[in-house]
Amino acid sequence: QKEVEQDPGPLSVPEGAIVSLNCTYSNSAFQYFMWYRQYSRKGPELLMYTYSSGNKEDGRFTAQVDKSSKYISLFIRDSQPSDSATYLCAMSAGRGAQKLVFGQGTRLTINP
Amino acid sequence: GAVVSQHPSWVICKSGTSVKIECRSLDFQATTMFWYRQFPKQSLMLMATSNEGSKATYEQGVEKDKFLINHASLTLSTLTVTSAHPEDSSFYICSASWGVNSPLHFGNGTRLTVT
Repeated sequence: QKEVEQDPGPLSVPEGAIVSLNCTYSNSAFQYFMWYRQYSRKGPELLMYTYSSGNKEDGRFTAQVDKSSKYISLFIRDSQPSDSATYLCAMSAGRGAQKLVFGQGTRLTINP
Repeated sequence: GAVVSQHPSWVICKSGTSVKIECRSLDFQATTMFWYRQFPKQSLMLMATSNEGSKATYEQGVEKDKFLINHASLTLSTLTVTSAHPEDSSFYICSASWGVNSPLHFGNGTRLTVT
């Protein structure tokens, strides 16, 4: 069993829809949770960063962490074609947020 | 704007030659940088942790003599793929952060093709 599980998709939704992306994990020591967006042939771009449980909102993006269920989510409101990318969840235990374990990534397409 | 710069963005080399990839932290000092490898449609896999002024720490299964890492300054780490072979063709990405409790920022990656 992988430490971090993420549905690879692909996921295709119409423009304007609310998108929900999720990851589950098995290591209860994870404390730092991140979401990255990766466009084709580019490096990952940090979208959201959360320490421990709770919600965090930034513009159209909301990240949720439920440590009791070992489950994290990223919601994208009013999705745009420019949101089409691969979304990677990542998490870290122990020494801060640097040694990351990644999910497989979900390929998302927003259709105009 | 970008906080981590990586160069080159793509490189093609012949089998048996060596290739050097540079990773620079912009506007901040990074005592630790990380090198990842990504195969098509797969996630990132950590190869090694680059430590300024000391030896790199390699993940299990990564050949340290093949993937040479040098972190000579607080803003520059280099990855040299020695005696490259076609199976080394991949997307190599570096990352760094401001501090141990800060999230990682990634470079734009280097696509290596070995012919």
